[in-house]
This record gives sequence, structure tokens and C-alpha cells, in this order.
Amino acid sequence: NAGVTQTPKFRILKIGQSMTLQCAQDMNHNYMYWYRQDPGMGLKLIYYSVGAGITDKGEVPNGYNVSRSTTEYFPLRLELAAPSQTSVYFCASSYTGLNTEAFFGQGTRLTVV
Amino acid sequence: DAKTTQPPSMDCAEGRAANLPCNHSTISGNEYVYWYRQIHSQGPQYIIHGLKNNETNEMASLIITEDRKSSTLILPHATLRDTAVYYCIVRGSSNTGKLIFGQGTTLQVKP
Repeated sequence: NAGVTQTPKFRILKIGQSMTLQCAQDMNHNYMYWYRQDPGMGLKLIYYSVGAGITDKGEVPNGYNVSRSTTEYFPLRLELAAPSQTSVYFCASSYTGLNTEAFFGQGTRLTVV
Repeated sequence: DAKTTQPPSMDCAEGRAANLPCNHSTISGNEYVYWYRQIHSQGPQYIIHGLKNNETNEMASLIITEDRKSSTLILPHATLRDTAVYYCIVRGSSNTGKLIFGQGTTLQVKP
């Protein structure tokens, strides 16, 4: 059981480039989330999904897109990267929305230069 | 979702109990209180959660006041490895499972 796996661990992007952050979970969890964490700050919710084919915006969705075609994968797409998107990105999953714990990946550290 | 208020930082001596307070005065009846911690820059780690009764597991105890407006996370015998940022979160009643993080409390365990 690998849990929540994020790739890559580190990435440097140039302004205007695009990339996809990968997130996979092998726990058959219905709910998945993407967060970003800026230095010295708490995590901010970008997007979330309550099941395959269903996604919704979180607190800070601008500049990002997501898709959820299967239960296992929840990729986060950055289009036209900007320096303000320099952050650590965490993916998480949980079996349901209430009364269960969420499991987090180890993060992707992204720098936009 | 109810907001939470935590002290920005606390110190604790190694081997002593660490008591981390959290205020959530606007919590509604079916919202759970969750605690997570983040060690260095790793992904947050689940600690414990509860609705209205006190809860205990192998990591910690959670004490929720009778009016549910505040809670305390207790690490009974803090070690240096417990140094981390601790987040108290009220998980939304909308069943989306969203965890809305605040600034948390930085706990420094000292030798």
C-alpha cells in the first residue's frame, strides 16, 4: 500500500510554461484534494473531487485545472506558470467526506522563474 | 465551515505533556474537530478527531468542552520528534470533506 504518491518531487518551470502535477492513490478513496502551501503559511485548498468525473473549486483555483477520470488519479494542471505559483503542492485523499482521516502525499516543490 | 483560533507558538519540555488549545466557537452540531500535524515540510499527518466525546489513540488525546466551542490536544509525553506545526481544523458539514487549514501552532519540544 503506497498511499498517496505525488510526482515529481521537485520542478523548476519558466514563466509561461505548463506542467501537470501527478497524484495517485491506491486506497480506493473517493475523495481527493489538491492544496498549496506558501512559505510559513498554512495549506490552501485549490481543487477537490468527491468521485470520478466530479470536481469543484476550493479557496484558490485560479491558474489551475483538474480532471478526475478514474478513482485512482487526480492530476493538477498549471497553464502559463507564474512566479506566484511557486509553492509546495500537496495531494490528499480520504474514503469519505466526514468522520474519516485524510492521507497526504509528500508534496511537489515547484519553483517558477 | 467554522473557523479555528490557535496560539501561534508554544514550547514544551521533553517528557512533559504538551497541551495545545483550539477555539472553535462557531462550530455547528455535526462538524468534527480534526487535528493534523506537519513535521518540517512533509505532508500533514492525521493525529485524531472527535465530535463531542473525548477521544484517545496511540498518539494523543482530544478533549472537547461540553459546549464544543473549544478543544485541547494532549501529547502525553512529548519527544523532540513531536516538534511540528499542529493544525486544529473543523471539518465541514457539507460532506465534501474539505479541510480548511489555518496558521496552526508551532510546537517546539525542548530537551
